[in-house]
Amino acid sequence: DVKVTQSSRYLVKRTGEKVFLECVQDMDHENMFWYRQDPGLGLRLIYFSYDVKMKEKGDIPEGYSVSREKKERFSLILESASTNQTSMYLCASSATSIRAYEQYFGPGTRLTVT
Amino acid sequence: AQKVTQAQTEISVVEKEDVTLDCVYETRDTTYYLFWYKQPPSGELVFLIRRNSFDEQNEISGRYSWNFQKSTSSFNFTITASQVVDSAVYFCALSEERTGNQFYFGTGTSLTVIP
Repeated sequence: DVKVTQSSRYLVKRTGEKVFLECVQDMDHENMFWYRQDPGLGLRLIYFSYDVKMKEKGDIPEGYSVSREKKERFSLILESASTNQTSMYLCASSATSIRAYEQYFGPGTRLTVT
Repeated sequence: AQKVTQAQTEISVVEKEDVTLDCVYETRDTTYYLFWYKQPPSGELVFLIRRNSFDEQNEISGRYSWNFQKSTSSFNFTITASQVVDSAVYFCALSEERTGNQFYFGTGTSLTVIP
């Protein structure tokens, strides 16, 4: 079974703190993704990565950065957390193919910024 | 513009009723892929089905069935004889060939099955 794990299920941080969200997958997938999920807005793509050290901006990259130093690990960084970054963060991974493969998701991290 | 539209925000049905979740998509690509995911209260999205644009055959898996119609750009999901365990948020997603592995998700439909 594909396993995508996220470092925390719940996280509470203060405004201005630097926040690291970690994601690890164990299926040797090339692609990894970070989404945020908000009520009424669905899932919105923040960043994705096709390979180690590669990253691409998604639809809402402002206020975020990412790091992918190893194939299995993809980190989302909030350089200076703000209250409008309170959200559910979902990590996903998929294999590379000429056909689109399904993405496998982690359990999510619910981040609250106070 | 929204590439995937799920017009139904919330649906409630009584157990054993059938329910259809609508999904309308928009793309200029001839090659694309459509997906459905289920997000139960635990939070983790679970993959249900993938369909490519060249395969319009409807699919049935147990109580679940999917109706793909290119003419109306729709990929609807029907649950037959709904059960309480079907209560979840359901997402439809689109992946286009030219954008590779990037997914576009709809805003989700929250289904509540009342016992």
